[in-house]
Amino acid sequence: DGGITQSPKYLFRKEGQNVTLSCEQNLNHDAMYWYRQDPGQGLRLIYYSQIVNDFQKGDIAEGYSVSREKKESFPLTVTSAQKNPTAFYLCASSPRRSSYNEQFFGPGTRLTVL
Amino acid sequence: GENVEQHPSTLSVQEGDSAVIKCTYSDSASNYFPWYKQELGKGPQLIIDIRSNVGEKKDQRIAVTLNKTAKHFSLHITETQPEDSAVYFCAATGFQKLVFGTGTRLLVSP
Repeated sequence: DGGITQSPKYLFRKEGQNVTLSCEQNLNHDAMYWYRQDPGQGLRLIYYSQIVNDFQKGDIAEGYSVSREKKESFPLTVTSAQKNPTAFYLCASSPRRSSYNEQFFGPGTRLTVL
Repeated sequence: GENVEQHPSTLSVQEGDSAVIKCTYSDSASNYFPWYKQELGKGPQLIIDIRSNVGEKKDQRIAVTLNKTAKHFSLHITETQPEDSAVYFCAATGFQKLVFGTGTRLLVSP
């Protein structure tokens, strides 16, 4: 059963702790993306990766870090430097690195920092 | 860079009515325009998309139109049903990424 999985669905952390969100895809897609969504708002791009071992900052990369060691995995670390980390985090993947760039989303992880 | 504006932010219709959501974009080089539906607590789902060499595309009750000259595109839902209630996002291609609108909350009342 192909798709994008994100885990966990809900995550609670204390302020000042780093936390890593998982994103895995078995669609053989080249590109992967991380977005942040705040209540009642659109999707803001955090980081994206067009190919293994390479990634680029999006519009709101400060306080976040990523790695792309495997094609199917693109974990996101929310560091203590992120001032307001409570949000809904969405991972997406795309079969192409550019051009039409259709993206398919995972179910999301809701992070709450206490 | 690309900027996408989406209107309205909220849309309430009666079951069976039509719903129209409009988006404008700024970058004339954009060539791909997807629409996503997001239900509460879930990830967005791609429902329809259109490429810049096409003016209109239909899929059952959903259609998208594109006016490249005016740089706007619209989502049309006919014969709305309560299960169409969700937040809808438009997007346009930027450099190596999609740029999203701020979303439209559609409420279909029985």
